[in-house]
This record gives sequence, C-alpha cells and structure tokens, in this order.
Amino acid sequence: KQEVTQIPAALSVPEGENLVLNCSFTDSAIYNLQWFRQDPGKGLTSLLLIQSSQREQTSGRLNASLDKSSGRSTLYIAASQPGDSATYLCAAPHYGGSQGNLIFGKGTKLSVKP
Amino acid sequence: EPEVTQTPSHQVTQMGQEVILRCVPISNHLYFYWYRQILGQKVEFLVSFYNNEISEKSEIFDDQFSVERPDGSNFTLKIRSTKLEDSAMYFCASSVQPGQGGSGANVLTFGAGSRLTVL
Repeated sequence: KQEVTQIPAALSVPEGENLVLNCSFTDSAIYNLQWFRQDPGKGLTSLLLIQSSQREQTSGRLNASLDKSSGRSTLYIAASQPGDSATYLCAAPHYGGSQGNLIFGKGTKLSVKP
Repeated sequence: EPEVTQTPSHQVTQMGQEVILRCVPISNHLYFYWYRQILGQKVEFLVSFYNNEISEKSEIFDDQFSVERPDGSNFTLKIRSTKLEDSAMYFCASSVQPGQGGSGANVLTFGAGSRLTVL
C-alpha cells in the first residue's frame, strides 16, 4: 500500500532564502508524482507533475526532482517570497489504482517572513 | 483559466440528515473525483467517476455515499445520513482523459472545497 510522508511538517524561513521540501513514498512503482499547493480555505493547486521517466521538472522558481529507486522527491523553491507561504503537498498514485487515485502526504506548512 | 467550482462553500447539518455537495468540473474534462480532508489530516481519495459510472472507490466510500452526474455539467456527492465523522472539507477534482499530456499523465484540477460540519 502506498504511503507518502513529508518532512518537515512546518518550515519558517526569511524572505529570499532557497529551501527544499522533502517527500518520500513507499511504493516506487509509480508513473508520476505531483506537488500541490494549498492555501488556507482554498483548494489544491497543482504545481508540478513529474513523470516516472523524468528526473526533474521546473516551473519558474520551483524545481521538483524524483528518485524512484530511493522513493524520494524534493521540491526546491528558489529565492522564497512571502507569497510562497502555504502548505505544500506531494501526492503519488495509489498502487494498482486509477491515475486519479492519489495518496497525499500530510504536507509541509511553509511560512516565508518578510 | 478554467476552474472547478463547488457549492456550497460551507454547509452545517444535523447528524442523520442528507447532504448533497455540488461541483461543476472543467467543461472538456472527462474524469471526475471527490476527495475529503478531515481537519488536520491528509487529503483522502473517495471516488473517481468516468463515463457515467464509478471507476474506483476507496474504503471510505461506503453505502452512505453516492455520486451522480445528473445533467452533463454538474457532478454531485450525496451523503445519505450524515455522521459526526463526516465533518470535513470535500474537494471535487476533474482531469482530461488519460493519454493527453504525455505518458498517461493526468493533472487533476481541484475546486476550492465545500466544508461540511455535522452537528
């Protein structure tokens, strides 16, 4: 059964700092992994999707990497801004499930202080 | 940018009452999902729906739950007899048919959620 774990649970950094959020998953037979952002009282916004054939994916200041063999993914945020403050979730497909059956981690709550 | 819209944003109900949560998925999306998030806990998959039938459901999605696409645009989640433990944020999501986006990738677009409080 797929399990997804994220560390740290919370992170507070000063503006401008580069940071790394970690995600680990137990079942490495995944075809993709997604990173989402959740703002308080809001839905989930897809940030990046990494295919199993890819090692990393970039969007602006965000870079996500995927290492299936070790069951790990990282989300790198460059030059953090107060607007980046949110909870970041990673999600991997449930083994044997449909592509929309995602197993989420509990998230990392990021606070970027001006 | 296309959005998934959910109504109501917040509903308070008494235990044992029926609740219907509504969602309007993105118009060209063919796969629809419901997820829930109990306060302080992980987002959990409930059900996926394609071609007017359930394609997959989780253990959470028991006989008290049902989904329907009544009119070709709305996608609803019904809870027949609510329990205290049904209190959660319920998220609707939709996606294009697998195969688009490369290698079967399927990015889900989520709505803002409906908060259900059962008293």
